[in-house]
Amino acid sequence: EVSLVESGGGLIQPGGSLRLSCVASGFTSTNYWMHWVRQAPGEGLVWVSRIQNDGYTTGYADSVRGRFTISRDSARNTLHLQMSGLRAEDTAVYYCARSYCSGGSCYHTFDTWGQGTPVTVSS
Amino acid sequence: SYVLTQPPSVSVAPGQTARIPCGGDNIGNKNVHWYQQKSGQAPLLVVYDDSDRPSGIPERFSGSNSGNTATLTISRVEAGDEADYYCQVWDFNTDHVVFGGGTELTVL
Repeated sequence: EVSLVESGGGLIQPGGSLRLSCVASGFTSTNYWMHWVRQAPGEGLVWVSRIQNDGYTTGYADSVRGRFTISRDSARNTLHLQMSGLRAEDTAVYYCARSYCSGGSCYHTFDTWGQGTPVTVSS
Repeated sequence: SYVLTQPPSVSVAPGQTARIPCGGDNIGNKNVHWYQQKSGQAPLLVVYDDSDRPSGIPERFSGSNSGNTATLTISRVEAGDEADYYCQVWDFNTDHVVFGGGTELTVL
């Protein structure tokens, strides 16, 4: 069974750093594009970052570029999001999600989601 | 940046048809995907590429896309369909994924 399990969230002070992890099961995550999407309390979904299956092509939302870094550990089938310079507006549940891929191509369609890990930035 | 506009809420009686619009500039030229998110749960893909359904999604869920509006249609609505629904596209110009603000579906 395909699944994603996030961890690493918690309470952090403004300006601090946190690393989120997402363990993939039932598939090889390096064959897929992988993403982070966040949802602030009571708000909608917001895309944060993407890493493509080559392992080095990445993309970021303007609000996190330069502060967040997405990476993957192929040996552990794990996706990471290193977050630094955290702000109150980064408070959200962070989901990892898998792109739908077919015939060797991947698309910006999220066919598998984890349950999310909450991040609270507050003093 | 590209913007997707959804009504905050839609209400429908059980057994009726719910239509949830998603507006965007020439959205008909993009592939639109729809997600269902029930309270306290992760999102679930219910329609992709405007009108295709993933395996396991009931035929009651369908989609269309033309001009400046994409629409998710839920036929024979059930109480279990109560959820927030989000449309989503990829903006080629910015290489950003864009979500609509979400629509809360209430089954009366």
